[in-house]
Amino acid sequence: GQNIDQPTEMTATEGAIVQINCTYQTSGFNGLFWYQQHAGEAPTFLSYNVLDGLEEKGRFSSFLSRSKGYSYLLLKELQMKDSASYLCAVRVDRGSTLGRLYFGRGTQLTVWP
Amino acid sequence: DSGVTQTPKHLITATGQRVTLRCSPRSGDLSVYWYQQSLDQGLQFLIQYYNGEERAKGNILERFSAQQFPDLHSELNLSSLELGDSALYFCASSGGGETQYFGPGTRLLVL
Repeated sequence: GQNIDQPTEMTATEGAIVQINCTYQTSGFNGLFWYQQHAGEAPTFLSYNVLDGLEEKGRFSSFLSRSKGYSYLLLKELQMKDSASYLCAVRVDRGSTLGRLYFGRGTQLTVWP
Repeated sequence: DSGVTQTPKHLITATGQRVTLRCSPRSGDLSVYWYQQSLDQGLQFLIQYYNGEERAKGNILERFSAQQFPDLHSELNLSSLELGDSALYFCASSGGGETQYFGPGTRLLVL
């Protein structure tokens, strides 16, 4: 099976930087996604890493180390609207299961003023 | 707006009943995925269809079934409903790329 771990909760203040970690153990790994989900709403795509290294997209960056089974999402210049759950998801390609995602339980981030 | 649509937005029904949830993928996307999200379980993969054919199955109960039609829309059928089936049901779609885009979800409440 797949094992995806991320912290349950994190808090930070407006304007700060926060790093949300995700570790995984899986076979057939073919990429890691980060999604943002506000309560009761759909997950929205933030980033995708398949090669080792850092991907930067505005205030958000995501890092992947395939050898360590580790990723993080870095959020800079935090805003109140960044309060949400952040889901780490691993893509597994094995046999016929192309494109299947396995999701972590999510990290609930609360940004305080 | 992801381009994925789901109907209905909300559904309230009684135990033992059957409901159908509908999903229209983004234009051109051939893959459709169904997920269940409850408070204590997180986002659980149910089933995937690709161009009308079942591609992968996750933790989908035997009481649940799905299909994808020639126009690529998909339906998830939930029968003999139980209180524990109350959850948010999301549909996602993807095309040739890897990213899945999620619809707004259907909130199901079983009383």
